[in-house]
Amino acid sequence: AQSVSQHNHHVILSEAASLELGCNYSYGGTVNLFWYVQYPGQHLQLLLKYFSGDPLVKGIKGFEAEFIKSKFSFNLRKPSVQWSDTAEYFCAVNSNSGNTPLVFGKGTRLSVIA
Amino acid sequence: SQTIHQWPATLVQPVGSPLSLECTVEGTSNPNLYWYRQAAGRGLQLLFYSVGIGQISSEVPQNLSASRPQDRQFILSSKKLLLSDSGFYLCAWSLPAGMLSGKLFFGSGTQLSVL
Repeated sequence: AQSVSQHNHHVILSEAASLELGCNYSYGGTVNLFWYVQYPGQHLQLLLKYFSGDPLVKGIKGFEAEFIKSKFSFNLRKPSVQWSDTAEYFCAVNSNSGNTPLVFGKGTRLSVIA
Repeated sequence: SQTIHQWPATLVQPVGSPLSLECTVEGTSNPNLYWYRQAAGRGLQLLFYSVGIGQISSEVPQNLSASRPQDRQFILSSKKLLLSDSGFYLCAWSLPAGMLSGKLFFGSGTQLSVL
């Protein structure tokens, strides 16, 4: 069965600091990888996704994530965070070889302070 | 455009009482439907998903059940609530190919407190 680990429960950064949120998954086959974001008071929404091809994926609002197959990782990065990036971030995975639902990590809460 | 409705927004129930949470989707046909639970410190846990009417897959054995009586209606139920059922319940839908695309659309959630 697939599983997703997000090791950082809560990250606090100052504005303009660089961000990297860790995500590791456990699955023996080919996977699709996702980052979802939930801003305060809003619905969960898709931030970016990786299916195949270039392992460096660009998403909305300056976010990117890099798929490193040898490390089973899909870390989320942003060079310079803003106060508006304060949110909860969820990494998710599903199998690329079947009709399987998304499995989410426990989430990382990001607080950006001025 | 497609919309998803989930209600109620908040619910306080005593232990041992029944539960019924409803979710409906508008503007699309034959969606895949999902129930997730978001508990403190445990992230998003998939509870049930459905690829069609009457087809329910359970991911986690527990005190809850799900039903899909109509194409765009997904109901989460319990006969007797436990304290551990407290949490934030999210309904979501995706297009039939959505399990591969990963694009889920989430409802606004129900905060359930079992006392």
